[in-house]
Parts: sequence; structure tokens; C-alpha cells
Amino acid sequence: SQKIEQNSEALNIQEGKTATLTCNYTNYSPAYLQWYRQDPGRGPVFLLLIRENEKEKRKERLKVTFDTTLKQSLFHITASQPADSATYLCARPSGGYQKVTFGTGTKLQVIP
Amino acid sequence: EAQVTQNPRYLITVTGKKLTVTCSQNMNHEYMSWYRQDPGLGLRQIYYSMNVEVTDKGDVPEGYKVSRKEKRNFPLILESPSPNQTSLYFCASSPWGASQETQYFGPGTRLLVL
Repeated sequence: SQKIEQNSEALNIQEGKTATLTCNYTNYSPAYLQWYRQDPGRGPVFLLLIRENEKEKRKERLKVTFDTTLKQSLFHITASQPADSATYLCARPSGGYQKVTFGTGTKLQVIP
Repeated sequence: EAQVTQNPRYLITVTGKKLTVTCSQNMNHEYMSWYRQDPGLGLRQIYYSMNVEVTDKGDVPEGYKVSRKEKRNFPLILESPSPNQTSLYFCASSPWGASQETQYFGPGTRLLVL
């Protein structure tokens, strides 16, 4: 089966610093990876999608990279703010384009 | 407002008592899916549907049923709930496929089976 791992359960950083979250996958490289944000008690909210042939994608203070050699995606939040505190999930397609496998998430805490 | 709605939001039931969690989307999306979320296990896909009358199993379908009689609705049915189905459930929809487009998630249904 296609696995996806977010090794850090939690990450604490100081406000203003860059947060970097890691997502590793096994087996073949997926056609794309997705990143979601989830606040406590709420459904995930889509942030970014990066395709296999894209090395990097940016959206405002967010940046995602995709390294097929390392089988890894990095998610960066620059100039982090306390409002960025949440759990961040990565996801990949599995078994075609209809099934999706999510990582267990990394809980980010931005300390003022 | 474009949204995915789920009902009920909270449910406490007893083992063996059939229940249905409804899911509805107003975005005319073809794809809909159900997930459960458990601590340490993350989001796991239960069932998905590519269109009306087209459903298929996800990674953890045992103990669940779904139906897709209308494009906007995708109810999750637990015929005989058991305590190991206590979880947080999310419904999601997408314009087509789960992958190429973002999935829009509902607010979640917290289920406790006693």
C-alpha cells in the first residue's frame, strides 16, 4: 500500500521564524501531493497541491517542495504567526486518482 | 455559500443500533468521500463515490455502508455499530477525483458507540 509519513507529531517555533514540516512517502512517487490545515474540531482545509514535475510551489507565506529523489515534500511557513498554529496534513493519491491516503499530521504551535 | 454539511454533528448511541450520518454538498461535485479520524491513525478513507450509483471501498470499509442515489447526498450507514467505530467522521467532496482538485470537507460528526 502507498504510505505517507509525517514524522514530527508536534513542532513548536517562535513567532516570526520559518516553520518547516516534513512529509515522506514510500513506493513510487505520486503524481502530486496535497497539504491541508486542520484546526481542532474542524474539517481539513486545502492549502496547496504540488505536482511531481514541480519542484516548488508558493502561496503567500507558504512554500511547498517536492523531491522525488528523497521521496519527500517539505512545507514551509515563513514569518510564522500564532494564527498559524494548527495541525498540517499531507496527502497523496493511492490506487488511482479516486483514493487518497493522508499522513497523521504535524501539530504546529507558534509561540508569541 | 458553497459547503459540505453533515448531520448530526454529535451522536451517542449503543452497540447494534443502526444509524445514518447524512452528508450533503451544494457544489454539484461528482466525487464524494467519507473518512474517519482517530488519534495516532490520522484520516482514513472509508468509502468514496465517483458519481451517482458509483461507490467503492476505501481503506477501512468494514462495518459501513454508503449509497449515492442523488449527486448531492452521500449518507454513511452503520448497520450494527460497535465501540470500535467510535470516531470523528468527515465527509468530503471534490469536482472530480480526489487528487487533481482540492477536497472540501464537512464540519465533522463525532460518534460515540457505547
